[in-house]
Amino acid sequence: QQQVKQSPQSLIVQKGGIPIINCAYENTAFDYFPWYQQFPGKGPALLIAIRPDVSEKKEGRFTISFNKSAKQFSLHIMDSQPGDSATYFCAAKARYGGSQGNLIFGKGTKLSVKP
Amino acid sequence: NAGVTQTPKFRVLKTGQSMTLLCAQDMNHEYMYWYRQDPGMGLRLIHYSVGEGTTAKGEVPDGYNVSRLKKQNFLLGLESAAPSQTSVYFCASSRTGGHQPQHFGDGTRLSIL
Repeated sequence: QQQVKQSPQSLIVQKGGIPIINCAYENTAFDYFPWYQQFPGKGPALLIAIRPDVSEKKEGRFTISFNKSAKQFSLHIMDSQPGDSATYFCAAKARYGGSQGNLIFGKGTKLSVKP
Repeated sequence: NAGVTQTPKFRVLKTGQSMTLLCAQDMNHEYMYWYRQDPGMGLRLIHYSVGEGTTAKGEVPDGYNVSRLKKQNFLLGLESAAPSQTSVYFCASSRTGGHQPQHFGDGTRLSIL
């Protein structure tokens, strides 16, 4: 059972474009939604995260938009650069302890930013 | 400042062989995790630990065992490797189990022939 659905699987944009990656979740117990960025040959690294009490969060060129009623959240990359080419994972975490409190990852989006 | 270090980086095994993957973190984190990453599947949690001497099953624990004898180390073992265990394995750690970022190593690429 896939609890976090991520789309698209891959995305190609021109430099300066605004790629948008979408995620949807089903479990209403999720209360923390991070995005991880992974470059080839490296481990994922936390990029930005949001909690459901806000609808938007910006950090530099990266913005998360959150729609609690629709159970959807998305990552926008403003003025994208070739150096942003990477695989992006959305994730969600419940407020419970134990195994229900573990991060659940989407399947990833491979972004390519062309010069 | 090493962060999370995984050894080895690459390994090729034959079906039925055993091996241990080592993860070490120097951030004094309480929580540690083992994930596997397969094409188109994202990251799936194998086992995790909430502190020294503790371990717990994640989403895909079958065929793997773990141990956390020291706070800084988390070992992942394959007792009898199978081709289905061909994957990239990532170790991560976090300060606590709350809304703390997980810090990942650079992975171990494992092929089972």
